[in-house]
Amino acid sequence: KNQVEQSPQSLIILEGKNCTLQCNYTVSPFSNLRWYKQDTGRGPVSLTIMTFSENTKSNGRYTATLDADTKQSSLHITASQLSDSASYICVVSASYNTDKLIFGTGTRLQVFP
Amino acid sequence: NAGVTQTPKFRVLKTGQSMTLLCAQDMNHEYMYWYRQDPGMGLRLIHYSVGEGTTAKGEVPDGYNVSRLKKQNFLLGLESAAPSQTSVYFCASKVGMGSYNEQFFGPGTRLTVL
Repeated sequence: KNQVEQSPQSLIILEGKNCTLQCNYTVSPFSNLRWYKQDTGRGPVSLTIMTFSENTKSNGRYTATLDADTKQSSLHITASQLSDSASYICVVSASYNTDKLIFGTGTRLQVFP
Repeated sequence: NAGVTQTPKFRVLKTGQSMTLLCAQDMNHEYMYWYRQDPGMGLRLIHYSVGEGTTAKGEVPDGYNVSRLKKQNFLLGLESAAPSQTSVYFCASKVGMGSYNEQFFGPGTRLTVL
C-alpha cells in the first residue's frame, strides 16, 4: 500500500534554532516528492520538489534532501523564525498516475520566542 | 491575480441539508481538484477535473458530486450532508498534465455537519 509517514507529529523549538523533519514513503513507482508548508487556516504552499535524480533542493532557509534508495526525505529549517510555525506536509507522486498525490499527515512545528 | 479562491469560508449544516462549495481560479489552469482534510489524516482526493466539462472520481467520492461547466470554476456538491462530511475542504488547480506541475491550493472551507 502506498503510504507517506512523517515524524515527529509535532515539534516545539526556540526562535533561531535549526530543526529537521522526516518523511518516509513506500510509494512505488516513484515520480517526485514535494514539501508543502501549511499555515493555520490556509491552504498548503509548495516549498520544494525533487525528482528521482535530485538529492537536495533549497528554498531560502529550507533545505530538502531525498534518498530514493531508502525512500526517505528530510526538510531542514535553518535559523527558525516565528513565521515558520506551521504544518509541513510531505507529498509523494507515483509515476503510474501523475494526478494522484499521496499526502503525509504532516509535522506541526511551533517556534517560540 | 487572486489565484485559487473558495466560497464560503465557513458553513454549518444540519444532517440531510444540501450545499455547494465554489472554487474559482484565475490562472487559466486545466486541472482542478477537490480534497478533504481531516485531523490525523493526509489530504484525500474527492473528485478532480482535467478540463472544462470533465470530472473524475478520486479516493473518497461517495456522497459528493462535482461539475466543471466553466474552465475557471469547479463546484463541489453535497446532496444530503452527513456528520462524517464534517471536514476542511480544499480546492486546488494546476496548469496541466505532469506530476511535476505544482498544485496551487485555495484557502479552504471549514464545514460542520450537525
